[in-house]
Amino acid sequence: QKEVEQNSGPLSVPEGAIASLNCTYSDRGSQSFFWYRQYSGKSPELIMSIYSNGDKEDGRFTAQLNKASQYVSLLIRDSQPSDSATYLCAVMFSGGYNKLIFGAGTRLAVHP
Amino acid sequence: GAVVSQHPSWVICKSGTSVKIECRSLDFQATTMFWYRQFPKQSLMLMATSNEGSKATYEQGVEKDKFLINHASLTLSTLTVTSAHPEDSSFYICSARLALTSIPADTQYFGPGTRLTVL
Repeated sequence: QKEVEQNSGPLSVPEGAIASLNCTYSDRGSQSFFWYRQYSGKSPELIMSIYSNGDKEDGRFTAQLNKASQYVSLLIRDSQPSDSATYLCAVMFSGGYNKLIFGAGTRLAVHP
Repeated sequence: GAVVSQHPSWVICKSGTSVKIECRSLDFQATTMFWYRQFPKQSLMLMATSNEGSKATYEQGVEKDKFLINHASLTLSTLTVTSAHPEDSSFYICSARLALTSIPADTQYFGPGTRLTVL
């Protein structure tokens, strides 16, 4: 069973703080990992993709990947109320014909 | 770039009728499109993978005769919900995978979604 696990939250952080979102996955052979942001009633929006172990930074966002631990995370620096949304971790499993498996999402609430 | 549109954005229909949802990649060609369904407070569930010019591949538990998918061109895929029932009410979202090799080909871009309500 191919699984992607996330804490459902809500994760509540004050404005300006760092929000840390975590995700684990079951398939050790997975190579492609994505973070999407979804506002209520809207479709997912791609934030970042990561393919190699280590950190990848894009503006206030940093994705971290550790394939040995089957763990991927997203850090949001200087969190803003507009970052309040559900963050979906998605994994493309090996042999999955480019299918993405999504976690249930973590709801982030940034309060002023 | 990488814009995906869906039409309609919402639809209300009577039980037993059929509804067609269109998914278009506006500024790129997509050899593969995906159809997802999302119920309230749940994550996206993949329904089927649609490849241009060939039959769609459905996920386990998804009725292919109920959810008809046609991928007639590199920019258009359609999902038809036949004989819709209230339990089919959901948020249907398509995504498109870039056919270009200059960008990671496995990146999926999502359409805005179609909210279906069956009365």
